Amino acid sequence: SYVLTQPPSVSVAPGKTARITCGGSDIGSESVHWYQQKPGQAPVLVIYYGSDRPSGIPERFSGSNSGNTATLTISRVEAGDEADYYCQVWDSYSEQRVFGTGTKVIVL
Amino acid sequence: EVQLVESGGGLVQPGGSLRLSCAASGFTLSSYSMNWVRQAPGKGLEWVSYISGSSSIIYEADFVKGRFTISRDNAKNLLYLQMTSLSAEDTAVYYCARDVGVGTRDDAFDLWGQGTMVTVSS
Repeated sequence: SYVLTQPPSVSVAPGKTARITCGGSDIGSESVHWYQQKPGQAPVLVIYYGSDRPSGIPERFSGSNSGNTATLTISRVEAGDEADYYCQVWDSYSEQRVFGTGTKVIVL
Repeated sequence: EVQLVESGGGLVQPGGSLRLSCAASGFTLSSYSMNWVRQAPGKGLEWVSYISGSSSIIYEADFVKGRFTISRDNAKNLLYLQMTSLSAEDTAVYYCARDVGVGTRDDAFDLWGQGTMVTVSS
């Protein structure tokens, strides 16, 4: 089945920019969604259809997608952004939804 | 308040069965496709199954085919996951999650429940 690869962790200082990648074959032609999950909590949708933000999600969160890599960008990182982040797509070949391996964002 | 509340989790022996429920409130369940997603302790998210608003379309992850069955009762605002032939590998928090859109296959999950823990152990 379709594999989405994310780096295990990304470290960033407060106020700086964090970029979380999600690698997959020709992912640029897919609709990519991103979720934030804090310890002990359910996931929260932060970006959908590649670059759309649900209501209530700060503009600091943005997404892009091209070629074999989708990217979630968090600008002006805050301590409260420390969490696990997952990408997700629909795999039309297997007719299944697929999550990425997950990335832990560590705010230094 | 718009919310999803799962129930039915617990301890079950290997080879046993369990039925999870997800109660929807604050919105019309029949207007949305729904999903089950699970997360093993310390692991990542894993999609389990999808069901369209009318129950006419169902998708499943490879690892559940023949063992788990997703269903819904829109009149009761309930989503279900019937699980059979459970093994230790099925130990996880099980979340129900709502599709954001009008039922396209590549939709995102915009509303999640708090999850219910399933532990498979003798």
